Order: sequence, then C-alpha cells, then structure tokens
Amino acid sequence: AQSVTQPDIHITVSEGASLELRCNYSYGATPYLFWYVQSPGQGLQLLLKYFSGDTLVQGIKGFEAEFKRSQSSFNLRKPSVHWSDAAEYFCAVIYSGAGSYQLTFGKGTKLSVIP
Amino acid sequence: DAGVTQSPTHLIKTRGQQVTLRCSPKSGHDTVSWYQQALGQGPQFIFQYYEEEERQRGNFPDRFSGHQFPNYSSELNVNALLLGDSALYLCASSSWGQLETQYFGPGTRLLVL
Repeated sequence: AQSVTQPDIHITVSEGASLELRCNYSYGATPYLFWYVQSPGQGLQLLLKYFSGDTLVQGIKGFEAEFKRSQSSFNLRKPSVHWSDAAEYFCAVIYSGAGSYQLTFGKGTKLSVIP
Repeated sequence: DAGVTQSPTHLIKTRGQQVTLRCSPKSGHDTVSWYQQALGQGPQFIFQYYEEEERQRGNFPDRFSGHQFPNYSSELNVNALLLGDSALYLCASSSWGQLETQYFGPGTRLLVL
C-alpha cells in the first residue's frame, strides 16, 4: 500500500537557522510528490511539487525540495527560517501509474520557530 | 478569482445525526475531492467527483456519500454520525486533465458530541 513517512513529529528551530524536514515514501512507479503547509485552523497550501525532470524543485516562500529516488526521499529545505514559517508541514504522494489520483499524506511535522 | 470555498466553517452535531458539508471549486475546475483530517493526523482521501459521478473512493464506509452538481459544486453527506467522525473535512478542487494538482479549501470543522 502507498505510504508516506514523516519521521519527525515536531521540530523547533531558531529564527534565521536552516531547516530540513524529512519525507520518505513507499516505492512506486512514477510518484508525484508534494509538500503542503497548514497554519492553525487553515486549509492546506501547496508549497511545491515534483513530477519529473530536475530533482531539485523550488517552491513558494523560499522553500525547496530534493527528490532522491535511491533513498525514496523528498526532503523539504529552507536556508533561513522566519517566524511566520511556524506551521504544520505535510508531505504527500500520488502514484499516477495505478490510475488513481488521490493524495496520500504523511502525518505531518509541526514546526515551531523561536526568536 | 475566488479559490475553493467551503461551508459551514464549523458545525456541532450529536451522535446518530446526519450532516451535509458543501464545497465550491476554484473557477475553471471541474473535479472535487474530499478528505478527512482527524486531529494530529494527515488528511485521508474519502472520494472524488467528476461529471456528477463518484470516480474514486478511499477506505470509508457507506455512511459517507457525496454529490456533485452541474455547476461542479459538491456536497459531502455523513449519516449516523459517530464520535470518531469529528474532524476537519477538506475539499480539494482540480481539473480532470490535471488531477495531480489539487487546491484545498479552508475546511469545515465538525464536532460530534
């Protein structure tokens, strides 16, 4: 079955520090990979997505992610975190080869930012 | 250009009751997907509607049903509510030709007492 693992439930970083959020997905052909952000009481906002091509993708708000097929990973990074980045981050995958376009989400990583 | 809208924002029901949630997709989109997000969890796919038909369904019981209207808006109905149905219900819209890119609404928070 499709699955997404986000190993870190909660991460705390200092403002201005770098950030890396981990995501691993179960093996499957042609994965489409996504990172979404959710602020408290809000819906999900798409940060970035990977379908094919360059394995380093740029997103909104200064975020980037790197697809590593050999490690089944799609980690999210940001060089300098701002206090407004405090939120919950979800990694998600679609396996289009199965004819299904439902998003499968990880359990999320909550990011706290300290001054 | 309005994004995805959902109503109501919050809802309180008691066990055994029925509830209807509504979603209007983003302008230009014709496909609506529904997700349930329990507290502390990632969203889980319920079902997807296109051309007024259910096209895909996740692992949810028949108590969960839906409908799509000719204007592409959609409803999610849940019958015989259980305490465990308390969650944030998210609607996502997309184009049938670009199902991989889904835009989410703000959600409806349902509390079952």
